[in-house]
Amino acid sequence: SYVLTQPPSVSVAPGETARITCGGNNIGSKSVHWYQQKPGQAPVLVVYDDSDRPSGIPERFSGSNSGNTATLTISRVEAGDEADYYCQVWDSSSDHRVFGGGTKLTVL
Amino acid sequence: QVQLQESGPGLVNPSQTLSLACTVSGGSISSGAHYWSWIRQPPGKGLEWIGYIYYSGSTYYSPSLKSRVTLSVDTSKNQLSLKLSSVTAADTAVYYCAREGGITGTTYYFDYWGQGTLVTVSS
Repeated sequence: SYVLTQPPSVSVAPGETARITCGGNNIGSKSVHWYQQKPGQAPVLVVYDDSDRPSGIPERFSGSNSGNTATLTISRVEAGDEADYYCQVWDSSSDHRVFGGGTKLTVL
Repeated sequence: QVQLQESGPGLVNPSQTLSLACTVSGGSISSGAHYWSWIRQPPGKGLEWIGYIYYSGSTYYSPSLKSRVTLSVDTSKNQLSLKLSSVTAADTAVYYCAREGGITGTTYYFDYWGQGTLVTVSS
């Protein structure tokens, strides 16, 4: 089955740029989606189809995807961005919905 | 605005069957425009996709749970259901229902989620 690999943690100072990666075999050929989950809350979709943002998501959140790595970029990081972030793809060969293991973003 | 609400027992005995419902409002399951998924998250761990159901009743389950899970839909109530049999402590998790967005056959993502319900498996 398809596997997505994320770093367990990323730390960044307020105002800086955070980059969270999601690795997978030829992930560039798939559409990658990203979710933000704050403690005690349900996940929220922040980027879909590699780089599109749902309504209401700040422009500070952006995504890219190429080769074997997809990246969620959060610009001008704020304290409120501290959360767990998950990447997700649809594996067309198996019809599975696959999640990465998640990355905890800490704002220093 | 689509809203999903999970409901069901918060405590289940080992070896018994876990049963949850998800009531959808603000949109009709029978429109056929979306798949509907269940996802779970053990305490302190990541997200695990359980499976999806379509308004017609067609389903697809994660292989790791396929032998124990049953998803169903009641379009008259606009409600989804999850049953997980022979549960153990490893099935303790927050269970979410979610709507799938995206273009059929091209991409699927979860654009609306319920708030989740914690189910603990313990005697």
